[in-house]
Amino acid sequence: AQTVTQSQPEMSVQEAETVTLSCTYDTSESDYYLFWYKQPPSRQMILVIRQEAYKQQNATENRFSVNFQKAAKSFSLKISDSQLGDAAMYFCAYRNAGGTSYGKLTFGQGTILTVHP
Amino acid sequence: DADVTQTPRNRITKTGKRIMLECSQTKGHDRMYWYRQDPGLGLRLIYYSFDVKDINKGEISDGYSVSRQAQAKFSLSLESAIPNQTALYFCATSDGTAKNIQYFGAGTRLSVL
Repeated sequence: AQTVTQSQPEMSVQEAETVTLSCTYDTSESDYYLFWYKQPPSRQMILVIRQEAYKQQNATENRFSVNFQKAAKSFSLKISDSQLGDAAMYFCAYRNAGGTSYGKLTFGQGTILTVHP
Repeated sequence: DADVTQTPRNRITKTGKRIMLECSQTKGHDRMYWYRQDPGLGLRLIYYSFDVKDINKGEISDGYSVSRQAQAKFSLSLESAIPNQTALYFCATSDGTAKNIQYFGAGTRLSVL
C-alpha cells in the first residue's frame, strides 16, 4: 500500500516571502500522479498543482511550483510571493496511474500554513 | 451552483442514531468517492464507486454503508452512529480519463454526541 507523509504539521511565512512545504511518499509503482490540495477555512478542497511521475519537468502554476525527486520519493511545494490568501491547510496526495487502486487518492496528514502580514 | 453538493453542511446527532449524508454532482462523472478527515490523519477513503453498479470498500469502511442511487447521487450512511465517527466528511467525483482529477464538495461536519 502507498503512504504519504507530511512531516511539518505547521509552517509560517511572511507575506511576499517564499515557503516550501515538504512531502514524501512510498510506493512500488513506477507510474503515478502526485497532487497538492489547499483547504482554506471554508473547508473547500482546491487542487493547487499536479505532477505526473513520468515527467521529469517540475510542474508550475503561477506562484506555485513543485520539486519532484522521483528517486528520493519527495514532492515539495514552493509558494513564492506568499499572500494572505495562501493561508490554509495543504495536503499532499498520491494516486496510482493504473491497477486495481486506480483513481483512489492517498493523502498526507496536512500542513497548516500561516501567512503573517 | 456548486458542481459537487453535499447535504447537510453540518449535523449534530446522538449515539445510536441512523444518519445519511448525501452527495450529488452535475459534472457528469462516473466515479464518486467518500472520505473522512480527522486532525493529524488527513483524508481517508471510506467507499468509492466507479459506476452505478460498482461499489467498493475503502480503507476505513467499517460502520458505514453507501448507496449509488444514480450516476449523479452517492449517499453515505451511518447505521448506528458512534462518537468516534465525529469528523469532516467529503464527497468527491472524477472522470475515468488519465487526467482523473478529483473534485470535492464543501464537506459535511458531523458531530456524534
